[in-house]
Amino acid sequence: QKEVEQDPGPLSVPEGAIVSLNCTYSNSAFQYFMWYRQYSRKGPELLMYTYSSGNKEDGRFTAQVDKSSKYISLFIRDSQPSDSATYLCAMSADTGRRALTFGSGTRLQVQP
Amino acid sequence: DTEVTQTPKHLVMGMTNKKSLKCEQHMGHRAMYWYKQKAKKPPELMFVYSYEKLSINESVPSRFSPECPNSSLLNLHLHALQPEDSALYLCASSQVGTGYEKLFFGSGTQLSVL
Repeated sequence: QKEVEQDPGPLSVPEGAIVSLNCTYSNSAFQYFMWYRQYSRKGPELLMYTYSSGNKEDGRFTAQVDKSSKYISLFIRDSQPSDSATYLCAMSADTGRRALTFGSGTRLQVQP
Repeated sequence: DTEVTQTPKHLVMGMTNKKSLKCEQHMGHRAMYWYKQKAKKPPELMFVYSYEKLSINESVPSRFSPECPNSSLLNLHLHALQPEDSALYLCASSQVGTGYEKLFFGSGTQLSVL
C-alpha cells in the first residue's frame, strides 16, 4: 500500500463547475499538507499549504484536512479552463527527514 | 525574485556523453533539491542539499553526481546514462527550517538519453 493514494483521473468538468480533488494517506505522523499544481512541461507550483487539521481558503481554492480520517481535499469553485492541470497532493512529517511524500497526481480538464 | 531557473530546458545525450544540468535561485533559500519525474508520475526525490552540504541521497546511481558550489547554484553532472534515465529533471529550493515544505520548482530539464 502506498503512503499517499490519489486518483489519477483524468477528471473532466464543464467550466464553472465545483471540483473536488482528494488524497488519502496512511502515515499518522504527517502534519504538513500541500497541494501543488503542475501544468504540462512545467514544474509544480505550490497552491495551498495547511498545517495539521482544518480548512484554508484562498480565492476560489479551499483546502481541507481531516487527520482523524487521514483524508485531504482541494475544492476549486467556478472552475476555469486555465485550471486544467495535474494536481499533486504532498505531505510531510515533523521529523528529522525533511522531505515531501507526493501523491501520484490527478489530471483535471475543465471544458469551456 | 521568486524564480528557480534551470538550464538547459531540453537535452539529448548519448550513453557515453558527459553533460551537466544547472539550477539557480536568488530567494536566499539554503535548501536545494533535485527531483526526477517520469511522464504521468509524481516527482521522485534524488538529492537534498542543506547549507551547501549533501543531506539526502536517495540511493541514486553514481552516474548522477550533484554539486552545490554556493548557496544560489546547484548542478547535476551526468555521465554514462541509460535510456531509462530519460525524464524531466526538476530543481527546487526552500527554506531550511520552518517552511521547508514550501518548495519552489524550476520548469525542469527534459532529458532524452539515446
